[in-house]
Amino acid sequence: GESVGLHLPTLSVQEGDNSIINCAYSNSASDYFIWYKQESGKGPQFIIDIRSNMDKRQGQRVTVLLNKTVKHLSLQIAATQPGDSAVYFCAEKIQGGKLIFGQGTELSVKP
Amino acid sequence: NAGVMQNPRHLVRRRGQEARLRCSPMKGHSHVYWYRQLPEEGLKFMVYLQKENIIDESGMPKERFSAEFPKEGPSILRIQQVVRGDSAAYFCASSPVLAGTTSSYNEQFFGPGTRLTVL
Repeated sequence: GESVGLHLPTLSVQEGDNSIINCAYSNSASDYFIWYKQESGKGPQFIIDIRSNMDKRQGQRVTVLLNKTVKHLSLQIAATQPGDSAVYFCAEKIQGGKLIFGQGTELSVKP
Repeated sequence: NAGVMQNPRHLVRRRGQEARLRCSPMKGHSHVYWYRQLPEEGLKFMVYLQKENIIDESGMPKERFSAEFPKEGPSILRIQQVVRGDSAAYFCASSPVLAGTTSSYNEQFFGPGTRLTVL
């Protein structure tokens, strides 16, 4: 069936440390993956995306890794800051339009 | 350049009433998506529309829910005879059609959501 799930529901890190958020997906036909950040009371905010023909993509302080062999996606945040505290969702796009979201990981950054 | 607009931001309805949620996509975007988010859960796809067309409604409940995206004006998600289980945050997203790409790679920009509470 279609599902995107996360390994860890909560993650607590010290300010300045690196954060790694993991995600497993189940649909081999997915060709596009996105990480979103959602702060309380707000809509999801795009962080970074990756196509299935890539295995790594870097942005500003963020890196997404895609392992199609084991259907695993991860988001790495370098030098985590208090402003990074939020819920992070991975999502996969299949069948042209809709996104399938994972359950979410809450990242808490301790000052 | 305004982002995706949704209104109202909060909506309270009693059981049996109708709820109308509006979404204005970003300028130049012709694709609209509606998602529902229950507390402590991820977003669940409901429906994907282009102007005057429903492309994919596989996530829409068969009864009481309908969506439209007319040629002029915002997209509307309509819930008739609301029940308590309809209480959730409803998010709209829009994306453009980029020349030379497939729709698969078009980023979806989300609005702030409408929080529906059914009493």
